[in-house]
Amino acid sequence: NAGVMQNPRHLVRRRGQEARLRCSPMKGHSHVYWYRQLPEEGLKFMVYLQKENIIDESGMPKERFSAEFPKEGPSILRIQQVVRGDSAAYFCASSPGQGRVDSPLHFGNGTRLTVT
Amino acid sequence: AQSVAQPEDQVNVAEGNPLTVKCTYSVSGNPYLFWYVQYPNRGLQFLLKYITGDNLVKGSYGFEAEFNKSQTSFHLKKPSALVSDSALYFCASLRSGGSYIPTFGRGTSLIVHP
Repeated sequence: NAGVMQNPRHLVRRRGQEARLRCSPMKGHSHVYWYRQLPEEGLKFMVYLQKENIIDESGMPKERFSAEFPKEGPSILRIQQVVRGDSAAYFCASSPGQGRVDSPLHFGNGTRLTVT
Repeated sequence: AQSVAQPEDQVNVAEGNPLTVKCTYSVSGNPYLFWYVQYPNRGLQFLLKYITGDNLVKGSYGFEAEFNKSQTSFHLKKPSALVSDSALYFCASLRSGGSYIPTFGRGTSLIVHP
């Protein structure tokens, strides 16, 4: 009964290093969303992907951030040259895909990134 | 464009009393509306949704929500609060026929006092 799996749960990086966050969607789900959560700011959309395709990346900063969802393996959110402002909780959610728009999202427990 | 607003950062209620967590939406066309709950250090969990049909929607853990089109609201309610209901609650919207990306409110912290 595996839900959405995110790892690592906690990630500490020094300024300038790279952070890689992984997300395996729920079984049978083909679409993945990444959101960022900061205190007092709620949940901010970053990127929406299906396998081998980015559907919408309008919420993702143009520089340093990238995301992929390969044919095999988990979705990866990559942050290059991290800065302190990148410290946040990053949540992945999955859904069955388009055509099932009324299906709720299933969230992982998040990766808490701390940049020192 | 679509958005949701949760006007209260925090709601305090005594155990056993009814609770309401407010949400208003701004969606062109017919909205799909959702409530999620987040416990500390966990991801969001789905509570209930309004797609179409009855304006009163019942969900998990005794929660319900009422869709009010004239007031563009979708308030979350529970007749009798439990201390264990203390958590962060998020309202979300989708526009039917539009983007498949839910927009979330800023969240409301519910604190139920013993």
